[in-house]
Amino acid sequence: GAVVSQHPSWVICKSGTSVKIECRSLDFQATTMFWYRQFPKQSLMLMATSNEGSKATYEQGVEKDKFLINHASLTLSTLTVTSAHPEDSSFYICSAWTPLNYGYTFGSGTRLTVV
Amino acid sequence: AQTVTQSQPEMSVQEAETVTLSCTYDTSESDYYLFWYKQPPSRQMILVIRQEAYKQQNATENRFSVNFQKAAKSFSLKISDSQLGDAAMYFCAYRSDGQNFVFGPGTRLSVLP
Repeated sequence: GAVVSQHPSWVICKSGTSVKIECRSLDFQATTMFWYRQFPKQSLMLMATSNEGSKATYEQGVEKDKFLINHASLTLSTLTVTSAHPEDSSFYICSAWTPLNYGYTFGSGTRLTVV
Repeated sequence: AQTVTQSQPEMSVQEAETVTLSCTYDTSESDYYLFWYKQPPSRQMILVIRQEAYKQQNATENRFSVNFQKAAKSFSLKISDSQLGDAAMYFCAYRSDGQNFVFGPGTRLSVLP
């Protein structure tokens, strides 16, 4: 079945540094990927939609200069949290549209802790 | 805007028993898709079951089945013969063509041995 690999699974960084999270579709081409943020005991909130070869579409209230999304190939989308602050600490999940089963496949998520 | 409501923040069920999780949604669309996702402690989102709104027949996947009431905009999930591995957060989600997922707030299910 379709697999979306997300890396790293967890990361700790210092305030002011940048962190890159990768999301790869392993056995299919993902023209569209989605990035979500999930706070503890809360639901998933869509941050942005990335389309291969074009600029990402950000949801209202999401700072595009802080959360840089790149979707340079059909199998890789990256989310870079720039100048991270403790309030950016959260669980980030990517997902991709999977044409094979007409559904969405999620990555395993990345727990980001900014200290 | 579409909204998804799950009125049960927490539910518990005895092992081998049956439990039903509730979900209601609001939309003006006629064609859309509804999903139930499971998020165990590993935080991996796992698709449990999917329903196309144009289908009258309720979807079923082994021990999981839904009760889809389109007019009432209700989409409940029934888990039969509950197992310890069913313990997780369950999210109801809505999507229509050209639009992104809208997730409900989730229901935490505990399975008691």
